[in-house]
Amino acid sequence: KAGVTQTPRYLIKTRGQQVTLSCSPISGHRSVSWYQQTPGQGLQFLFEYFSETQRNKGNFPGRFSGRQFSNSRSEMNVSTLELGDSALYLCASSPESGSGNTIYFGEGSWLTVV
Amino acid sequence: EDQVTQSPEALRLQEGESSSLNCSYTVSGLRGLFWYRQDPGKGPEFLFTLYSAGEEKEKERLKATLTKKESFLHITAPKPEDSATYLCAVRSGNNRLAFGKGNQVVVIP
Repeated sequence: KAGVTQTPRYLIKTRGQQVTLSCSPISGHRSVSWYQQTPGQGLQFLFEYFSETQRNKGNFPGRFSGRQFSNSRSEMNVSTLELGDSALYLCASSPESGSGNTIYFGEGSWLTVV
Repeated sequence: EDQVTQSPEALRLQEGESSSLNCSYTVSGLRGLFWYRQDPGKGPEFLFTLYSAGEEKEKERLKATLTKKESFLHITAPKPEDSATYLCAVRSGNNRLAFGKGNQVVVIP
């Protein structure tokens, strides 16, 4: 069974640009969540989508947005990139949303903003 | 706000030298505690889920335990391939996963 797939794996963007990251969940999983990982802050929750609806949102500015498609695939977008947005962006999926569900991570997308 | 604290931050072990990693948490209504292993440059790999105090789970040289305030990940007779960062996370009533900063483990041959 294929795991969570994230594309692209590595990308470099210039400050002020925008970026879109893509995530394909494990087959049959309907919940997708996104996390930002940095050396200083660790893993921080961005948002969760289930059945194309945002179920939960972390404490990030509105420049960070996401969506989920009917096939459960998800994208996240960061607009007006800042140097501090350089991080590993991780997507995770689970069969259902919420309580007690184990989430499974992809390998992440490394974003460098210069 | 949910808080997860892992200690020690970094640990160097000789091969075969057993040790324990600690994850202490403060949450309102624990819905699950999760352990992951993360290798450099990769995404976290799921290890265990624990739901209630007293629960224990084992996998090869790893054993996770849970009390009402903390969880331990015991590494028995570690091998160099156990070198990784171990992440603890909790899910509470707000349905979000809160992660600790991790325990970085290096096992020396």
